[in-house]
Amino acid sequence: QKEVEQNSGPLSVPEGAIASLNCTYSDRGSQSFFWYRQYSGKSPELIMFIYSNGDKEDGRFTAQLNKASQYVSLLIRDSQPSDSATYLCAVMTGGYQKVTFGIGTKLQVIP
Amino acid sequence: NAGVTQTPKFQVLKTGQSMTLQCAQDMNHNSMYWYRQDPGMGLRLIYYSASEGTTDKGEVPNGYNVSRLNKREFSLRLESAAPSQTSVYFCASSRPSNQPQHFGDGTRLSIL
Repeated sequence: QKEVEQNSGPLSVPEGAIASLNCTYSDRGSQSFFWYRQYSGKSPELIMFIYSNGDKEDGRFTAQLNKASQYVSLLIRDSQPSDSATYLCAVMTGGYQKVTFGIGTKLQVIP
Repeated sequence: NAGVTQTPKFQVLKTGQSMTLQCAQDMNHNSMYWYRQDPGMGLRLIYYSASEGTTDKGEVPNGYNVSRLNKREFSLRLESAAPSQTSVYFCASSRPSNQPQHFGDGTRLSIL
């Protein structure tokens, strides 16, 4: 079992819709959770982080964490074509900042 | 703001050649990391340095060495390049504890 699992996609949504990206992790001791966006040929860019159970909102983005279910998600409201990218889920475990990345979900927003 | 700077951006090597990838950050971060990214594999940690003077192996360290030259700089060396090391290499840095990592623009390395 992979430590951090994501569906590679592509996930296609129409412009203006809500995109829902999901991630599960295996280590119950995981402490911090990050979402990165990566455009093709570019480096990962941090868009959200969440440490506690519940929701965290930042503009059109909402991160959701459920530690009991070992599940973290990213919602993108009013999706735009510029949101088309690969979204990487990253999970931090342990005192030395070990971060494990999922393979990423490719999102396509259709105009 | 430069952030994390990687050099070179592109490199082509022949099998058996050696080279060093350079990384420098100007954010006063303690921790630095080297990752490789391959299609279908995601980002995999090669080596990391939790603080100046310390380095530790990550998930895929074989064939690589690192040097934490000072707080700003963390280099990755390929002593004898192999085609399996063809990849995109990213350097990242972060503050201690549970803070997120900031990435450089990457080095695209091809080994023939």
